[in-house]
Amino acid sequence: AQSVTQLGSHVSVSEGALVLLRCNYSSSVPPYLFWYVQYPNQGLQLLLKYTSAATLVKGINGFEAEFKKSETSFHLTKPSAHMSDAAEYFCAVRKYNTDKLIFGTGTRLQVFP
Amino acid sequence: EAQVTQNPRYLITVTGKKLTVTCSQNMNHEYMSWYRQDPGLGLRQIYYSMNVEVTDKGDVPEGYKVSRKEKRNFPLILESPSPNQTSLYFCASRGTGLNYGYTFGSGTRLTVV
Repeated sequence: AQSVTQLGSHVSVSEGALVLLRCNYSSSVPPYLFWYVQYPNQGLQLLLKYTSAATLVKGINGFEAEFKKSETSFHLTKPSAHMSDAAEYFCAVRKYNTDKLIFGTGTRLQVFP
Repeated sequence: EAQVTQNPRYLITVTGKKLTVTCSQNMNHEYMSWYRQDPGLGLRQIYYSMNVEVTDKGDVPEGYKVSRKEKRNFPLILESPSPNQTSLYFCASRGTGLNYGYTFGSGTRLTVV
């Protein structure tokens, strides 16, 4: 069965510091992976996606993620955090041969001045 | 603007009173789905639809109905809501090819008392 695990339900960083949000997946077939961001009282916005092309994926707002098959990871990074990055972030994998997204439980990012 | 529109954004209702949450997309997507979001559980799929008149159960379909009479609309129906259906609901649609990805609505926060 496919699944994703997000390590750390809360992550706090200082403004300007590196952001690293961890996501590990479980899949016996090449996965499609996604990162979404949810701002308070808003829907989910796609940050970036991996669909078996380049392993380093660049997304919106300066975020990027690297697909590492050997580590079954798809961690989300941003070199320098901004106050506006404070939100909840979800990693998701598309269930093979379906259109269902399987979500992690989310990581809430706090950014301190 | 390409979007998924849900209505209402907020709804408080009483146990047993039938309600419908509407979802509409303007991207001509064939695939649409409904998710519910609960603290600590992430998002879980309720129902999905691959095309007009084609719907199927997701992971948590009990207590919900859907219909897909037109490509753009995918309403979620709660025939007899119960308090355990208090949740945040999201509708999503999926593009194809270079536009592969899932677009989510802004959410409907439902409270059943």
